[in-house]
Amino acid sequence: DAKTTQPNSMESNEEEPVHLPCNHSTISGTDYIHWYRQLPSQGPEYVIHGLTSNVNNRMASLAIAEDRKSSTLILHRATLRDAAVYYCILRENPYNAGNNRKLIWGLGTSLAVNP
Amino acid sequence: DTAVSQTPKYLVTQMGNDKSIKCEQNLGHDTMYWYKQDSKKFLKIMFSYNNKELIINETVPNRFSPKSPDKAHLNLHINSLELGDSAVYFCASSQDEADTQYFGPGTRLTVL
Repeated sequence: DAKTTQPNSMESNEEEPVHLPCNHSTISGTDYIHWYRQLPSQGPEYVIHGLTSNVNNRMASLAIAEDRKSSTLILHRATLRDAAVYYCILRENPYNAGNNRKLIWGLGTSLAVNP
Repeated sequence: DTAVSQTPKYLVTQMGNDKSIKCEQNLGHDTMYWYKQDSKKFLKIMFSYNNKELIINETVPNRFSPKSPDKAHLNLHINSLELGDSAVYFCASSQDEADTQYFGPGTRLTVL
C-alpha cells in the first residue's frame, strides 16, 4: 500500500549533514509529502511537510524535486539524538480526498549516527 | 504537560481476556487515531474519530471497539485477545484530518 520507497538503512557521522532520499513516482498533484521520525521506544513525531517548494524548519529541510517524484530530507548536522526511523509519507489533501484521509506508512529508513 | 498520553504503557495478558487501552490528549484537537505497529514495524491505522464521530474504520476485527466519550479521549477496547494482537498500539491526535499528527508514547501489548 505504501506509495513511497526509501532505503532500509543509512549511516552518518555526528555533526555531518545527512540526506535521506524518498521516491514517490506515483505522486498526484494534490499529495503532500510528509516526514515523520520514530526514536527508539517512542511514538512517531512530525518532522516536516511540503507540497512543491522546498521547506525549512528548526528540525530539518525538505528538498522536493521539480517533477515531485522524489524528495530529500536534510538534517544539517546530525546528532546522536537523530538516530531514528524516518518515514516519508504521501498524504492526499483530505479536503479533496473524500474518505481517503489516512497516512499510509512504509517501513522507513533506519538512520544510525556514529559518534 | 504531556500532549498525548496513553495508559497503560505495558500490558501483558492471557489469550481470551478482554482489555482496554486509554488515550487522552490535552491539545484541544478534534481528530484522534489508533494505530497498530507490528513486530516488522509497520504502522497501520485502525480507527480515526473526528469530533467523537468515527471517520476511518480499517479492516480490523470487530473484537476491537473504539470509544470516544469526548473529544479529548479515545479508548480502545479489545475482546477475546489473540496471540496476533501482540503489538505496540499508538494513539495520535491532530487539529483536523489535514493537520500534523501528534503521537502518544505507545502501549506494548503482549498476549500469552
